[in-house]
Amino acid sequence: AQSVTQLDSHVSVSEGTPVLLRCNYSSSYSPSLFWYVQHPNKGLQLLLKYTSAATLVKGINGFEAEFKKSETSFHLTKPSAHMSDAAEYFCVVSDLGGNTGKLIFGQGTTLQVKP
Amino acid sequence: IAGITQAPTSQILAAGRRMTLRCTQDMRHNAMYWYRQDLGLGLRLIHYSNTAGTTGKGEVPDGYSVSRANTDDFPLTLASAVPSQTSVYFCASSLRGSDTQYFGPGTRLTVL
Repeated sequence: AQSVTQLDSHVSVSEGTPVLLRCNYSSSYSPSLFWYVQHPNKGLQLLLKYTSAATLVKGINGFEAEFKKSETSFHLTKPSAHMSDAAEYFCVVSDLGGNTGKLIFGQGTTLQVKP
Repeated sequence: IAGITQAPTSQILAAGRRMTLRCTQDMRHNAMYWYRQDLGLGLRLIHYSNTAGTTGKGEVPDGYSVSRANTDDFPLTLASAVPSQTSVYFCASSLRGSDTQYFGPGTRLTVL
């Protein structure tokens, strides 16, 4: 069965410094992996998606994530944090083993950006 | 503007009352989903529908029902609300064969 673990519930960085949000996954298949962002009191927005075409995936707003099969990781990075990046981030795997089209969400990581 | 709309935006409800959360999409997506979001638990799937006329149970279906009479609408009903159903509810949709889901803005429901 697929599962996702976000290793940090809260990450705090200073504006202009790099961002690293960590995610490990477990899957019996070659998974589809996603990062979604949720700004306060807003819905979820797709940041990026991995589908095996390339291990380094570029998303919106300067974010990117690297799929590392040997480490079963899909960490999200950004070279320089901006105040507007403060939000909740979810690592997500698609439940390819079922017929629901279900997305399996990690617990979320709150990113705080300090001025 | 294409996308998913949900109504109401928020609601306070007395326990035991019936409530229907509405979801409408205009992207002609085949599949639709209902999730609930609770602190520290991420989002969990309540019910889903792969196409109009069919529905299925997700991870936490108890106390909820859905219907899918047409492609665009996917209402979620709480027959008799309980305080544990206090949550933020998100509707999502996707195209057939795609696992990329697009989310609505959410409904914040409080059951007292």
